[in-house]
Amino acid sequence: DAGVTQSPTHLIKTRGQQVTLRCSPKSGHDTVSWYQQALGQGPQFIFQYYEEEERQRGNFPDRFSGHQFPNYSSELNVNALLLGDSALYLCASSPLAGERNEQFFGPGTRLTVL
Amino acid sequence: KNEVEQSPQNLTAQEGEFITINCSYSVGISALHWLQQHPGGGIVSLFMLSSGKKKHGRLIATINIQEKHSSLHITASHPRDSAVYICAVVQGAQKLVFGQGTRLTINP
Repeated sequence: DAGVTQSPTHLIKTRGQQVTLRCSPKSGHDTVSWYQQALGQGPQFIFQYYEEEERQRGNFPDRFSGHQFPNYSSELNVNALLLGDSALYLCASSPLAGERNEQFFGPGTRLTVL
Repeated sequence: KNEVEQSPQNLTAQEGEFITINCSYSVGISALHWLQQHPGGGIVSLFMLSSGKKKHGRLIATINIQEKHSSLHITASHPRDSAVYICAVVQGAQKLVFGQGTRLTINP
C-alpha cells in the first residue's frame, strides 16, 4: 500500500497564474481533505470531499476549488494566485465509515508563488 | 483566540530529558490527534485518542475531556525526536482543527 500520495512535490508559479495539485488517497479510503500550511503555522482546513462532492469547507475564498474522481483521487485548484498562497498543501484521506476518524497524510506539495 | 492552543511553542532539551507538550482546546470534539512533522513537511499521526491515555514506545498521550486538555510526553528523549509536534482536534465529520505546533529540539 503506497499510502497517500501527492503530486507534484514542489511547484513554482507567478502571481495571477492557476495551479492544480493532485492527491491519491490510501487504499480503502473514500474521503479526502485538503489543508494549507503557511510557514511556521499549523495547517488550516480548506475543504473535504466525499462521493465526489464537497462536504465541508473552511474559510477559504472561491479561488480555491476542488474535485474528487470516481476512484476517490482528488484535485485542488487555485486560481489567480497571490503571494500569500505560498504554502505547503497537505492532503489527508480517511475512511468515512471508520469509527476511529483516523486520517493519513500525504507528504505535501510545496507551492511557491513569485 | 485560537480554538486549539499548544504550549510551549518552542522547546529545547538535552538528550534523555522527559518532555511534555500541552494542548488546550475550546470547542467540542470527537477525538484528538497528536501529529509529528519533520523538516520537509511530511506529517505522521502518532496518536488518536478520545479518552484516557495511550502509550507507544517512549511516547505517551493523555486527554482530559472535562478539562479540554491533552498532553504528549516523551520519555528518554533522543535527538531523532526533534520535530514539530502538532495537536489537532476532530470536529464534525473528520474536519481537523490544528494547533500552531511545538518545535522540539533535543540536543545530544
